[in-house]
Amino acid sequence: ILNVEQSPQSLHVQEGDSTNFTCSFPSSNFYALHWYRWETAKSPEALFVMTLNGDEKKKGRISATLNTKEGYSYLYIKGSQPEDSATYLCAERDNQGGKLIFGQGTELSVKP
Amino acid sequence: GAVVSQHPSWVICKSGTSVKIECRSLDFQATTMFWYRQFPKQSLMLMATSNEGSKATYEQGVEKDKFLINHASLTLSTLTVTSAHPEDSSFYICSAMGTSGSWAYEQYFGPGTRLTVT
Repeated sequence: ILNVEQSPQSLHVQEGDSTNFTCSFPSSNFYALHWYRWETAKSPEALFVMTLNGDEKKKGRISATLNTKEGYSYLYIKGSQPEDSATYLCAERDNQGGKLIFGQGTELSVKP
Repeated sequence: GAVVSQHPSWVICKSGTSVKIECRSLDFQATTMFWYRQFPKQSLMLMATSNEGSKATYEQGVEKDKFLINHASLTLSTLTVTSAHPEDSSFYICSAMGTSGSWAYEQYFGPGTRLTVT
């Protein structure tokens, strides 16, 4: 994997559904994996930063896992609500200088 | 905490003119600020990294004479798009990173600037 890739590109779910997205990243030179939540016309909001293989982070109904050996991270949302509608970005920080390499994002739409 | 503002939020300019975009960290000191650009349906792409008081480091393929970056204080960085052309139309977004306390090593983003060059 040469780039940070996210799937799916977009997702439409009903209120109450649980959902998950995938972020794949190059595993060489890995330092950290960031997840952001980006609502339209607002600033991207930091959700999680994970550094260790096997890391699991949780914030309310949202959780994330990290596998640095195979180069992927999952973001889970339990019981989606309309206010969860946003674009979810992941970004890898490398150990060569600290810059973030972003995926294209997963656009989530939750219908009431 | 960790609020970053960006001004203007959108701007339309004529081809050949210059546009300045400001990025401010409102409640912390940002020794490093980053400028990204996003074209439709694409990822946020890092353009340059600026450290307070020193010259910016540009990513490969980004023209430093076209995208002038100034980081004169710990709370303000500016990006000037010189002699803008329609192909510079894009969404520009900055982030700021502190190095101490709870802001250390996390990037906090502004809301972005939509630039349209006619």
